[in-house]
Amino acid sequence: GAGVSQSPSNKVTEKGKDVELRCDPISGHTALYWYRQSLGQGLEFLIYFQGNSAPDKSGLPSDRFSAERTGGSVSTLTIQRTQQEDSAVYLCASSYPGAYKQFFGPGTRLTVL
Amino acid sequence: GENVEQHPSTLSVQEGDSAVIKCTYSDSASNYFPWYKQELGKGPQLIIDIRSNVGEKKDQRIAVTLNKTAKHFSLHITETQPEDSAVYFCAAIGGYQKVTFGTGTKLQVIP
Repeated sequence: GAGVSQSPSNKVTEKGKDVELRCDPISGHTALYWYRQSLGQGLEFLIYFQGNSAPDKSGLPSDRFSAERTGGSVSTLTIQRTQQEDSAVYLCASSYPGAYKQFFGPGTRLTVL
Repeated sequence: GENVEQHPSTLSVQEGDSAVIKCTYSDSASNYFPWYKQELGKGPQLIIDIRSNVGEKKDQRIAVTLNKTAKHFSLHITETQPEDSAVYFCAAIGGYQKVTFGTGTKLQVIP
C-alpha cells in the first residue's frame, strides 16, 4: 500500500520567505509527527498530532514554526521568515492509534539561501 | 526529559563480520525501543523494535537486546553485507508517544 508521502521533495528559498511543507500520512494513521534532521545529525522532534489536535508542540524551535492538520489526514508545516539555520531535511511520520511504530516519509530537503 | 546516547558514531566492518551499536537512555518510564535504518536521501525505516517486557528479539541477521536495569539496548547485525551500509538510529519512547532518537551510527560494510 501507499506509504507516507511528502511534498515538495526539495525546496530552495530565500531568507525571509515563508515556506509550506506537506505530509500525507498512511490512510488510517491518526497519529502524525514532524521531525527535523540537520546535516549529519539525528532527528529532532518538532510536533505530534493525534487527529487534528496537537497535544505536544514542545519541539517547535520558535514561533516562526507552526503546523496544522485538517480532516485527520494531511498536515502542513509552515515556517515563516525563514532563516539559514532552518536549512534541514524535514521528516514526517505516522502511526496507527495507540501504536508505537512510526512510518516515515522520504522527507523534504529545505535550503534557505 | 528523555536523553538517548548512541555509540559509536561511525563503524566500519568487513563483509561477513558482525556489527554492534549501543544506546543508553535516561528515562526509566521509556518502554519501547525501535531501531531505524536510513539510507542516503531516504526517510528512516523501522528494522526491529523491542518492548520493555522483553530482553531480546531476533529477526534473521538482526537482533536487539535490552537491559532495563542498566538502561542499555543494543543492535546486533551478523554476517554483514554491503547493503547493510547506512545510518542506524536507536530511539526510546515513553509516555505520550514522544520519541527521542539517538544521534545515529554510520555503518560501512567493506566488501
